[in-house]
Amino acid sequence: EVQLVESGGGLVQPGGSLRLSCAASGFTFSSYEMNWVRQAPGKGLEWVSYISSSGSTKYYADSVKGRFTISRDNAKNSLYLQMNSLRVADTAVYYCAREGLGTGAPLDSWGQGTLVTVSS
Amino acid sequence: QSVLTQPPSASGTPGQRVTISCSGSSSNIGSNVVNWYQQLPGTAPKLLIYRNDQRPSGVPDRFSGSKSGTSASLAISGLQSEDEADYYCAAWDDSLNGQVFGGGTKLTVL
Repeated sequence: EVQLVESGGGLVQPGGSLRLSCAASGFTFSSYEMNWVRQAPGKGLEWVSYISSSGSTKYYADSVKGRFTISRDNAKNSLYLQMNSLRVADTAVYYCAREGLGTGAPLDSWGQGTLVTVSS
Repeated sequence: QSVLTQPPSASGTPGQRVTISCSGSSSNIGSNVVNWYQQLPGTAPKLLIYRNDQRPSGVPDRFSGSKSGTSASLAISGLQSEDEADYYCAAWDDSLNGQVFGGGTKLTVL
């Protein structure tokens, strides 16, 4: 069974940093591209970042470019999101999501999410 | 303001058929496949329809998807109370180099 478990969320002051982790199990992690998607309280889904299976290709939403860094450790079956210079607008539940195989593959498995609250 | 446009709400009575639209542009829906996600209250999103009209195993055939040009739609027939949820369309955007989502449609079963 595919499992994605996020951790690392919490309360942080504006301008602070936080590192989210996503532990993957039940599939060959190194074969899959991964994404982070967030959802602000009471709002819709917003894609945050993408990383290829090898980690060599990364994409970011304009709203986080230059502040967030996505990475992965295939030996540890883990995905990360380093978040710096956090803003109040970054407050959201952050989900890690697996991208299925093949062109145009959907986000076929999601974690339960971890809440990040940016507030003074 | 979401890149893909969905109606904020939809409703129907049990047994009815409802459709949810999703409008985009040539850089997203016009040139890439559309996926749909269902988010039940208090839970993580779940894949509902992929590659425009494909259902993952376990998704009832009451759910169907279609795409034409720069628009897509999700249809739910035989509406049931457990279908009450938020529904999101999504597609890759070639200009933004990222996934784009619709703003979500809250479906109410009356």
